[in-house]
This record gives sequence, C-alpha cells and structure tokens, in this order.
Amino acid sequence: GNSVTQMEGPVTLSEEAFLTINCTYTATGYPSLFWYVQYPGEGLQLLLKATKADDKGSNKGFEATYRKETTSFHLEKGSVQVSDSAVYFCALSDLTDSWGKLQFGAGTQVVVTP
Amino acid sequence: GAGVSQSPRYKVAKRGQDVALRCDPISGHVSLFWYQQALGQGPEFLTYFQNEAQLDKSGLPSDRFFAERPEGSVSTLKIQRTQQEDSAVYLCASSLRDRGISTGELFFGEGSRLTVL
Repeated sequence: GNSVTQMEGPVTLSEEAFLTINCTYTATGYPSLFWYVQYPGEGLQLLLKATKADDKGSNKGFEATYRKETTSFHLEKGSVQVSDSAVYFCALSDLTDSWGKLQFGAGTQVVVTP
Repeated sequence: GAGVSQSPRYKVAKRGQDVALRCDPISGHVSLFWYQQALGQGPEFLTYFQNEAQLDKSGLPSDRFFAERPEGSVSTLKIQRTQQEDSAVYLCASSLRDRGISTGELFFGEGSRLTVL
C-alpha cells in the first residue's frame, strides 16, 4: 500500500536558519505529492504541491521537488522566520487508489526561535 | 461561510456514549472528507462524499462509525458506543471539484477534539 515517511520532530531552529524536512514515499501508482502546514490553533492548509516527477512546488519561500528516482519530496526554506513555527505534513494522493484519500506522514513540528 | 466549520470543537464523552460531530463545508463545495487524527500522528482517511453520495467509506474503523450528508452540504459523523481508542481529533475537509483531491485543494476545518473517558 501507499505510505509516507517524514523526519521526526521537533526541529528547533534560530531565525534565518535553513530548514529541511525530509519526506519519502512508497506508492504503487503515480502519486501527486503535497505539503500541508498546521499553524497553532488553525486547520491544515495546503502549502505546496507537485503532480508529476521533477515538478517543483513553491509557496511562501518554501520549495519541494518531486524526485521519482529517490521517491522523495523534501521541504526546504532558505531563511525561516518565527512565524514559520508550525507542524508540517507530507502527503500523497494516488489516482490508481481511491482518489478520495490523502495519505499523510506523521508530521514534523518546527520551532523557530528569535 | 468563509471556511470549513466544525462543531463542537471539544467533546468529552463517557465510554459507551454516542457522539455526533458536525461539519459545515465551504458553500458550493461538492466533495467532503472526514479524517481522524490521533495525538502525534498524521490524519487518517475515514470517508468521502460527493454531494450526498458516500463514495468511499473504507477508512471507517468499525461499524460504530457512521457518516451522512443527506442534502449534499452539512455532514455529520456519528460514533456509537464510544471507546477510549476513539479519542482523537476529527477533521473535516471540503473541495470544490469532485476530483479536487487530484490537485490537493482540500480546505480543512479546525477539527473536533473528542476525548473518551
């Protein structure tokens, strides 16, 4: 079956540091890949997505590239801010499976200190 | 409304009680999803509606879980005879298109946190 594995948190960084959150996946079909973010007290929000191999998703200074050869979709940001403190979830959907499902990773908490 | 609204935000139930969780999706959104999120885990898919039709309920963990969306808008997730393992945050999400999942454009509510004592 499909699965998503992402690095455990919490990840604690100083402001302006470089952030990487690793995400790898297994899928039997041709998944689309996503990063969702959950800020404190808020619902999950789509951060970025990529629908095919070598696509790069980007938003709010975050980037992730769909790497089929390494089955990865690592999230990066060059200079984090305190406002980036949140829980980040990697997810996939596979249209060869039920397209009603998103498969999520366990989430990575990021704490950015001033 | 402006976003997906869920109620109640917090629910404490005694083991064996029935609970009902409500979801008001974004107006006009065809697709509606329920997910269960245990503490420290990612959301797990429960069920999916397209309008009033429940197209996928493969994630419902037992026959104590039941979801409905009779008029294709508001949805209710009902849990009968609650057990301690049902304690979790229940997330509702909606999407405008019936294949909205293919672009990941799901809009999530803040969730209903259920605690079963």
